[in-house]
Amino acid sequence: GQQLNQSPQSMFIQEGEDVSMNCTSSSIFNTWLWYKQDPGEGPVLLIALYKAGELTSNGRLTAQFGITRKDSFLNISASIPSDVGIYFCAGLGGYNQGGKLIFGQGTELSVKP
Amino acid sequence: GAGVSQTPSNKVTEKGKYVELRCDPISGHTALYWYRQSLGQGPEFLIYFQGTGAADDSGLPNDRFFAVRPEGSVSTLKIQRTERGDSAVYLCASSFQGHTGELFFGEGSRLTVL
Repeated sequence: GQQLNQSPQSMFIQEGEDVSMNCTSSSIFNTWLWYKQDPGEGPVLLIALYKAGELTSNGRLTAQFGITRKDSFLNISASIPSDVGIYFCAGLGGYNQGGKLIFGQGTELSVKP
Repeated sequence: GAGVSQTPSNKVTEKGKYVELRCDPISGHTALYWYRQSLGQGPEFLIYFQGTGAADDSGLPNDRFFAVRPEGSVSTLKIQRTERGDSAVYLCASSFQGHTGELFFGEGSRLTVL
């Protein structure tokens, strides 16, 4: 089945540093999304990308939809302690895929004050 | 409340028992989804409803798993003859309409099968 590979699996950074994580797939997706999950909570949508090559920002977050439609990256600038959590990429195959999001394994981010 | 509500938040049961997990989506959201999340993994798709009907149930692992949404709002995920491998957090999500991927998740129901 479809799988997404996220890297790195975990990151330990100093407050104020920039962060970059990415996601690759063997299959093409028509939509890429990035979610963040805090302990004991459900994932929360950060950014949605709908067009190949699209670059979108949301505050300190920037994400890109790869031109091949098989990858995406997420950057966080000037990290702060509340950025701690698990970041998931997710891909959606197309209109006929409905809500069948395929999630990556997650990147766990730790920020040292 | 304004968000997706799931009950129970925690359920401990014995192998072989029957379990029901409930999801109350955001009012007005026509699409509802069930995902399963094991420790250290991303959410895994189970089933997607558009209104009352299951639009895609391809993620249900076997016939012990069943979900309903009889009035197009609240949904129940039903697991028969539970096995230890069913232990996971079961996440429900809703969206205003399907096929965008923009889901609002509940906090999940943590199921432990002893």
